[in-house]
Amino acid sequence: GQNIDQPTEMTATEGAIVQINCTYQTSGFNGLFWYQQHAGEAPTFLSYNVLDGLEEKGRFSSFLSLSKGYSYLLLKELQMKDSASYLCAVLNSNYQLIWGAGTKLIIKP
Amino acid sequence: IAGITQAPTSQILAAGRRMTLRCTQDMRHNAMYWYRQDLGLGLRLIHYSNTAGTTGKGEVPDGYSVSRANTDDFPLTLASAVPSQTSVYFCASKGTGDNSPLHFGNGTRLTVT
Repeated sequence: GQNIDQPTEMTATEGAIVQINCTYQTSGFNGLFWYQQHAGEAPTFLSYNVLDGLEEKGRFSSFLSLSKGYSYLLLKELQMKDSASYLCAVLNSNYQLIWGAGTKLIIKP
Repeated sequence: IAGITQAPTSQILAAGRRMTLRCTQDMRHNAMYWYRQDLGLGLRLIHYSNTAGTTGKGEVPDGYSVSRANTDDFPLTLASAVPSQTSVYFCASKGTGDNSPLHFGNGTRLTVT
C-alpha cells in the first residue's frame, strides 16, 4: 500500500528551530508538497520538492531525499503564528496526491 | 479576489436528507477536487474532475456524487446523508503542471444527526 508517515504532534519554543519529518512509501514519485493548515482553516501551500536537496523560502525550508523516501520541513525563528498543522503530500506515478495525517505544531512562549 | 468559494460554511443535517455542497472557482483551473478531512486522518479524496464534462472517483466515493457542467462549478451531493458523513469538506482546484499546488476553499463543516 501507499503510506505517508509524520509525527502526530510536536512542541517547540518561540524563537527556536523545529524540523518536521515525513517519510513516504508510494507507487512512484512526481513530487512532494508541504502545506500549512491553521485550526479551522483551509490548507495553504508552503513548498514543492521533486529533486534531492534543500529548498529555502524565508524562514521555511524543505528538504528531500529520494533514495531514503524522506523529507523534512524546517521552520526557523519560530513565531506564535506558526502554531498550525503541517501536511505532507506526495504525488505518485499516477499523479494522485497521497496525504499524511499531518503534524500539529504547538509553539510555546 | 481570485479563489475558491464554498457554501454553506457549516450545516447540520438530519440523516436521510439530501444535501448539495457548492464550490465555485474563478481561476479557470481545469482540475477540481473534493476532499473530506477527519480528525487523525489525512485528507481523503472523494471525487475529482480533470476538466469540465468529466469526473472520477477518489478514495472514498460511496454515498457522494458530483457533476462538472462547466469549468467554474463543482458541486458535491450527498443523496441520503448518514452520520459517518459528518466531516469537514474541502473543495480544491489545481492549475497545470506537476508543481502546481492545490488551492483550497474555506471548507464546509457538515454534521449529520
